[in-house]
Amino acid sequence: DAGITQSPRYKITETGRQVTLMCHQTWSHSYMFWYRQDLGHGLRLIYYSAAADITDKGEVPDGYVVSRSKTENFPLTLESATRSQTSVYFCASSESQTSGTSTDTQYFGPGTRLTVL
Amino acid sequence: GNSVTQMEGPVTLSEEAFLTINCTYTATGYPSLFWYVQYPGEGLQLLLKATKADDKGSNKGFEATYRKETTSFHLEKGSVQVSDSAVYFCALSRSSASKIIFGSGTRLSIRP
Repeated sequence: DAGITQSPRYKITETGRQVTLMCHQTWSHSYMFWYRQDLGHGLRLIYYSAAADITDKGEVPDGYVVSRSKTENFPLTLESATRSQTSVYFCASSESQTSGTSTDTQYFGPGTRLTVL
Repeated sequence: GNSVTQMEGPVTLSEEAFLTINCTYTATGYPSLFWYVQYPGEGLQLLLKATKADDKGSNKGFEATYRKETTSFHLEKGSVQVSDSAVYFCALSRSSASKIIFGSGTRLSIRP
């Protein structure tokens, strides 16, 4: 199916465990993003990627690692999960980020609800 | 820096009421402006956008006009439906690789 998918949709883990959230898009978009959504904070950018093998930090990168070996995949890893990382995680992609064009729109996946006990 | 401020919710209206959700922004130059909607249990979807001053974005009966003089992008709908119940996010995108900056979201509930 075309679009952007995330897996798993729900995950429960324990403090200290490593967790990887997967994101896959079929549009060959250059840009991909990871956000977390928490009550009272809206969406906060964790990491983003402008192309394969190019990643950069967002607003709240601490405790997270990303990679982008292929254009279509952008996994997010919590190396040692903490309770403060309990959240809903959204992946997004866009064709480009040139403001004022039709290609700066971001398209979101359905989200992964992560609970860290 | 760049920022987006939108009215706090929750907003509760009766069906067929008129809706306004206020959004103002701070940015240099000419950002693109967006409204995204998040239905329960789903990811965000683009509702409408505008890329330059005086542009009007519209979709599904919703409208928003890019007002540079007041740095605003208020969302309006003339007659809301129960199915419009969702969280609405105002956002801006500014220059290459600057990412999208989201407001905190406004939860809208429509009573039958």
